[in-house]
Amino acid sequence: AQSVSQHNHHVILSEAASLELGCNYSYGGTVNLFWYVQYPGQHLQLLLKYFSGDPLVKGIKGFEAEFIKSKFSFNLRKPSVQWSDTAEYFCAVNAAGTYKYIFGTGTRLKVLA
Amino acid sequence: KAGVTQTPRYLIKTRGQQVTLSCSPISGHRSVSWYQQTPGQGLQFLFEYFSETQRNKGNFPGRFSGRQFSNSRSEMNVSTLELGDSALYLCASSFDGESSGNTIYFGEGSWLTVV
Repeated sequence: AQSVSQHNHHVILSEAASLELGCNYSYGGTVNLFWYVQYPGQHLQLLLKYFSGDPLVKGIKGFEAEFIKSKFSFNLRKPSVQWSDTAEYFCAVNAAGTYKYIFGTGTRLKVLA
Repeated sequence: KAGVTQTPRYLIKTRGQQVTLSCSPISGHRSVSWYQQTPGQGLQFLFEYFSETQRNKGNFPGRFSGRQFSNSRSEMNVSTLELGDSALYLCASSFDGESSGNTIYFGEGSWLTVV
């Protein structure tokens, strides 16, 4: 069965610190990978996605993620976080050609001003 | 372009009752999926519809059901409500074309509290 693991449940950083959130998945076939973000009081929004091609994908607001197939990982990074990045981040995977997404349990990021 | 719209946004029901939640997808989107979000379980897939047909189903009991109409709008129903059904129910829509890459877009959700 497919599964997604997000290793960090809560992360607290100061502004300008670098961010890396881990995400590992288990699935043997071709997958699409996503990071969604949920800002306080708002709905889930797509941050970035990987389908194929360059394993380093760039998303909105300066976020990027790298797909490492051999490690089944899709870690999210940002060189310098801002207070406005305070949110919950979800990694998700779906088998190519399907619409069933498997989500990680989320990582709550708090950025201190 | 309007986003995914869910109604009602908040509701309180009593154990044993049933509830119907509604979702209007983004214009032009033909796939609608539903997720349950709880603090303990995170986001869990309920089911997905396309052209009025259920294509995928998650591991939820038969009390959870859904349907999709010809205009792509969708409803989900939960019968015989239990306290554990208290959750945020999220609807997501997708164009279902290859170029979209299976990206789904979420609505704000319907907060259900069962007392």
